[in-house]
Amino acid sequence: NAGVTQTPKFRVLKTGQSMTLLCAQDMNHEYMYWYRQDPGMGLRLIHYSVGEGTTAKGEVPDGYNVSRLKKQNFLLGLESAAPSQTSVYFCASSKSLAGANYEQYFGPGTRLTVT
Amino acid sequence: KQEVTQIPAALSVPEGENLVLNCSFTDSAIYNLQWFRQDPGKGLTSLLLIQSSQREQTSGRLNASLDKSSGRSTLYIAASQPGDSATYLCAVMAHYKLSFGAGTTVTVRA
Repeated sequence: NAGVTQTPKFRVLKTGQSMTLLCAQDMNHEYMYWYRQDPGMGLRLIHYSVGEGTTAKGEVPDGYNVSRLKKQNFLLGLESAAPSQTSVYFCASSKSLAGANYEQYFGPGTRLTVT
Repeated sequence: KQEVTQIPAALSVPEGENLVLNCSFTDSAIYNLQWFRQDPGKGLTSLLLIQSSQREQTSGRLNASLDKSSGRSTLYIAASQPGDSATYLCAVMAHYKLSFGAGTTVTVRA
């Protein structure tokens, strides 16, 4: 049981380039999330998904797109990277939004630098 | 908009001392509150989750309290050890959204 995994661990992009971050979970969780973490700030929600084929915007969605074609995978795309998107990106999953099963499980993060 | 604040931003204590970490939030209509640990360059590890109907949760040397009416939670770590050095984050669940504080970075000196 690997939990939540993220690919890649590190990446350097030039401004304007595109890339996709992959998140995978093997816990059969319905809910998946993408966050970014910047120095001195808490994690901020970018997008989330409440099930296969569904996605929704979070707090800071601009410049990002997501897809959830399979229940176990949640992809985060940057179509045209900007230096402001330099950050550490975390993926998380949870069984549900309510009750004792709400606990979110986090991946190890992807450190992205845009030059 | 839910605002979550953690004070202090950093804390340094000698080994053996008890740690007290504070978290405050502006919207008391929360569903639950979660405390996480984050080691440098690593992901988040969940420590404790307190449902809104609960007053506290305990796990080993860790105890977290929740006072929803005043918008506060406190994480106590008893008899701190150098291995407790990390950043501790609190997050509140409200309106189907998890909002995080910026964290308290703890250093336990041997």
